[in-house]
Amino acid sequence: DIVMTQSPDSLAASLGERATINCKSSQGILYSANNKNSLAWFQQKPGQPPKLLISWASTRRSGVPDRFSGSESGTDFTLTISSLQAEDVAVYYCQQYYSTPLTFGGGTKVEIK
Amino acid sequence: QVQLVESGGGVVQPGESLRLSCVASGFSFSNYAMHWVRQAPGKGLEWVALIRSDGSNKYNVDSVKGRFTISRDNSKNTLYLQMNILRPEDTAVYYCAKGTSSGGYLCDFWGQGTLVTVSS
Repeated sequence: DIVMTQSPDSLAASLGERATINCKSSQGILYSANNKNSLAWFQQKPGQPPKLLISWASTRRSGVPDRFSGSESGTDFTLTISSLQAEDVAVYYCQQYYSTPLTFGGGTKVEIK
Repeated sequence: QVQLVESGGGVVQPGESLRLSCVASGFSFSNYAMHWVRQAPGKGLEWVALIRSDGSNKYNVDSVKGRFTISRDNSKNTLYLQMNILRPEDTAVYYCAKGTSSGGYLCDFWGQGTLVTVSS
């Protein structure tokens, strides 16, 4: 199974500050058909289901604010919120969808300082 | 708009069975893979099972093999999860989620979930 290791477990930043979440896969998740990493980021607000933000490591879903961005380097992935807003308070999960069992990182709780 | 509505959750004793349903609308259900994902209280997300659009292939996590069965009825736009020999560690909110293609491993839309509690 591919293990997804996410860090930190939680972070607190001031409004307007940058927030960075890291995720590392235990093995490569590069999909050969499009040469892209099969890595997604989800946002889950309290009492709500997860919402897909980013797929293929860096492709923002339609309607997602551009302050959210994804980047990658080998098996290391990063979600960046460039200017933290109050509505961004949530738990963020990375997930690999390269192979079954599909696996998630442990989650990062983002709060306002 | 895409809608996924889960039902069938409840409180059961260890060893008992439960069947979850997920009714889909707003998209062509028969063209998309579907997933079940669960979340234990206060915990993270765990993928449970996947079924291809035509039901030809099914996959699930090892912890539910031999106990849970995913299925679908494309004529009713409905996804199912038959859960047998339930254990306390199966206690969770169960979400159904839509794949992005006929065999899509990526989930792009999730229902609100249904709570399953396994307790004596």
